[in-house]
Amino acid sequence: DTAVSQTPKYLVTQMGNDKSIKCEQNLGHDTMYWYKQDSKKFLKIMFSYNNKELIINETVPNRFSPKSPDKAHLNLHINSLELGDSAVYFCASSQRLGRTDTQYFGPGTRLTVL
Amino acid sequence: AQRVTQPEKLLSVFKGAPVELKCNYSYSGSPELFWYVQYSRQRLQLLLRHISRESIKGFTADLNKGETSFHLKKPFAQEEDSAMYYCALSPPGETGANNLFFGTGTRLTVIP
Repeated sequence: DTAVSQTPKYLVTQMGNDKSIKCEQNLGHDTMYWYKQDSKKFLKIMFSYNNKELIINETVPNRFSPKSPDKAHLNLHINSLELGDSAVYFCASSQRLGRTDTQYFGPGTRLTVL
Repeated sequence: AQRVTQPEKLLSVFKGAPVELKCNYSYSGSPELFWYVQYSRQRLQLLLRHISRESIKGFTADLNKGETSFHLKKPFAQEEDSAMYYCALSPPGETGANNLFFGTGTRLTVIP
């Protein structure tokens, strides 16, 4: 299947731990994104990468560090997890960085910090 | 700063009734506007974008620059339209201009 995939689907961990969420797209897209959806279903952009290069960081704490080993992958590493990090994290990709390019979303990773 | 407002968190309509999901935006420019939908147990996906002026699954949305609105409409709601709907904006002329800024979403329930 051609799609955006994320692993794991669910992640439960203790405060203070470090965890990673992986994202892969096999659509041949140049641009990838991370979004955070909080408990009130508010969806907010965190990062965007174009051709492995960070384009935007929307005031996300330094504890969040995206890594793009190649155009098809954009992983999210989170250090020193806090309760407020509990959310659903969505990865997305688009063909290019154009304003009208459709973004294709992954299924989401539900992170619960205890 | 750009902002997208969806005033209704929940909206219920009967099958066959018209439906309108409201979206207002505040941005001093010409943003691109989109509607994304998330059906139960499915991923978020694009429904339509204003630049295409298209009708998808019977839905249309007209950009009203005077009222800064981009309301989503369908004349006859179907049960399969029940989903979470997000209005989104992409600002113009900036690096990373494909970043989408989402409203808080409206959960539409179509009652049989």
